[in-house]
Amino acid sequence: SQQGEEDPQALSIQEGENATMNCSYKTSINNLQWYRQNSGRGLVHLILIRSNEREKHSGRLRVTLDTSKKSSSLLITASRAADTASYFCATDARAGFQKLVFGTGTRLLVSP
Amino acid sequence: NAGVTQTPKFQVLKTGQSMTLQCAQDMNHEYMSWYRQDPGMGLRLIHYSVGAGITDQGEVPNGYNVSRSTTEDFPLRLLSAAPSQTSVYFCASSYSTSGGDTQYFGPGTRLTVL
Repeated sequence: SQQGEEDPQALSIQEGENATMNCSYKTSINNLQWYRQNSGRGLVHLILIRSNEREKHSGRLRVTLDTSKKSSSLLITASRAADTASYFCATDARAGFQKLVFGTGTRLLVSP
Repeated sequence: NAGVTQTPKFQVLKTGQSMTLQCAQDMNHEYMSWYRQDPGMGLRLIHYSVGAGITDQGEVPNGYNVSRSTTEDFPLRLLSAAPSQTSVYFCASSYSTSGGDTQYFGPGTRLTVL
């Protein structure tokens, strides 16, 4: 069963605008990660946030985590056409090994 | 480093045929896993391994077998292909087996079962 649900399912913006994607999950987690998938390619890791962290930055990416609401958001600032991709959140539960459970993804289209 | 490699890139099978999807990594990662991705869905874990000789089932293991005889290789076997196994298959690896680590993904194998 899917752990994470991303919202919105699809997002279309212009270059230079900010893009915000949200992820909700069901059970307690150790960590939450965000991955990007370009069309027809494998997934690429973007950022990891631990359950005791509330916010993390990496370049134009900002991730927040609210464990009380079981939700996370990914903000991409000053979007570029090259950011066009699907974005997935993935969680690993408190128990067990590196077993990631992925959400259903947000398809982002950034138009020039 | 080549990272995570997968072969073949594309494959068409008939119902009932068997085949092996290959996955290899050259990063000396202990953790390796197989996912399938279906349209409109995220990735679902099929099987995973935390080291040579150790494998376990994920969320959707039925119809698939794995083995891990070396650290580098983690093949996925389809025993008797069914149309429901039409999907894109991704192999991934990470250094840590205990969580909180980046997973590195291969480019995927697109499988169609007729």
